[in-house]
Amino acid sequence: NAGVTQTPKFRILKIGQSMTLQCAQDMNHNYMYWYRQDPGMGLKLIYYSVGAGITDKGEVPNGYNVSRSTTEDFPLRLELAAPSQTSVYFCASSYGGTRMNTEAFFGQGTRLTVV
Amino acid sequence: GENVEQHPSTLSVQEGDSAVIKCTYSDSASNYFPWYKQELGKRPQLIIDIRSNVGEKKDQRIAVTLNKTAKHFSLHITETQPEDSAVYFCAAGREGSQGNLIFGKGTKLSVKP
Repeated sequence: NAGVTQTPKFRILKIGQSMTLQCAQDMNHNYMYWYRQDPGMGLKLIYYSVGAGITDKGEVPNGYNVSRSTTEDFPLRLELAAPSQTSVYFCASSYGGTRMNTEAFFGQGTRLTVV
Repeated sequence: GENVEQHPSTLSVQEGDSAVIKCTYSDSASNYFPWYKQELGKRPQLIIDIRSNVGEKKDQRIAVTLNKTAKHFSLHITETQPEDSAVYFCAAGREGSQGNLIFGKGTKLSVKP
């Protein structure tokens, strides 16, 4: 198993550009999450999904969009990049569902800089 | 929604000493409390978790305690070693529900040799 795979690892965007951060997991997890981690700060939840076709906002959703067309993939879209979106983005997944909430597995992160 | 407060934000100890990190949560329905360790430049990884049906859990040098009445839980690391230096995050969430974990802001632990 590859676990949770994020691409790209690094990206520099100009203000106003758009991009999609890719996230895929091969553990058949129902739940997937996007977090951002600003320098020296904790993890803030952007969006999450409890299953294919279902997404919901987290703490800081403004400026982002997500989709969950399959169980495996959970891409994060930035439409008009702003300097405030400079951060490290982590995708994570967990089994969740009707069983006990289990360990959240994180991807290796995407370091995004908006200039 | 859930809110998780974590203290202290930084903690420095001598090798061999104990370290304690405390978290409080606001949602009384939360019943799953994991702790994650993030080494510099790496992804967060689960080190221990506790569910609301127990008050304490131990795994070698690390232990977690939970007080549901007071809505706080703590991470205890004994006999600290330099490799314990990292940022530690607590989190709270609900089992069998929406499953969205809310994280604390993290504690940067430095263990001095």
